[in-house]
Amino acid sequence: GDSVTQMEGPVTLSEEAFLTINCTYTATGYPSLFWYVQYPGEGLQLLLKATKADDKGSNKGFEATYRKETTSFHLEKGSVQVSDSAVYFCALSRTGNMLTFGGGTRLMVKP
Amino acid sequence: DTEVTQTPKHLVMGMTNKKSLKCEQHMGHRAMYWYKQKAKKPPELMFVYSYEKLSINESVPSRFSPECPNSSLLNLHLHALQPEDSALYLCASSQEGGRAETQYFGPGTRLLVL
Repeated sequence: GDSVTQMEGPVTLSEEAFLTINCTYTATGYPSLFWYVQYPGEGLQLLLKATKADDKGSNKGFEATYRKETTSFHLEKGSVQVSDSAVYFCALSRTGNMLTFGGGTRLMVKP
Repeated sequence: DTEVTQTPKHLVMGMTNKKSLKCEQHMGHRAMYWYKQKAKKPPELMFVYSYEKLSINESVPSRFSPECPNSSLLNLHLHALQPEDSALYLCASSQEGGRAETQYFGPGTRLLVL
């Protein structure tokens, strides 16, 4: 079946550091790929998405590129802020409205 | 307006109580979802409604009963819950339930079963 694997956290960075959160997936066909973010005490919100190979999703300084050859969708940001502290979920959707989530990666950014 | 609202924010109930969680969206979305999220875990899909019809039921125990009275509202009726059902319950909606659609999540109801 479909699955998503993310690097385990927590990831602790200093402000302005470079961020990479790795995400790889297993799925047949051509899934859509998503990064959702969950701030403390809140629901999830879409950060970015890509719907086909080589697409790059970007939002708020975050980027991720859909790499079909490596089945990956790694999240990057050039300079993190304290306000980026949250839990990040990588997810895929292959059929209809079913999202398969990774385990989540907690990011902590220190001033 | 890209907001999904959920009430109540917090709920404490005993194992013999009956309660309901409510979810509302006014984005014209025709697919709505219930998820359960335990601490430090990803959300787990419980139910999907598509055009007000239940389309997916992920083998959820019958003590959870969903209802979609109209295209804007989604309820989750709770009865005879167990302490292990304590979790954050998230509602979400999307345009029509397609593969590439963004799901918009509400803030959740934090449920404690005593």
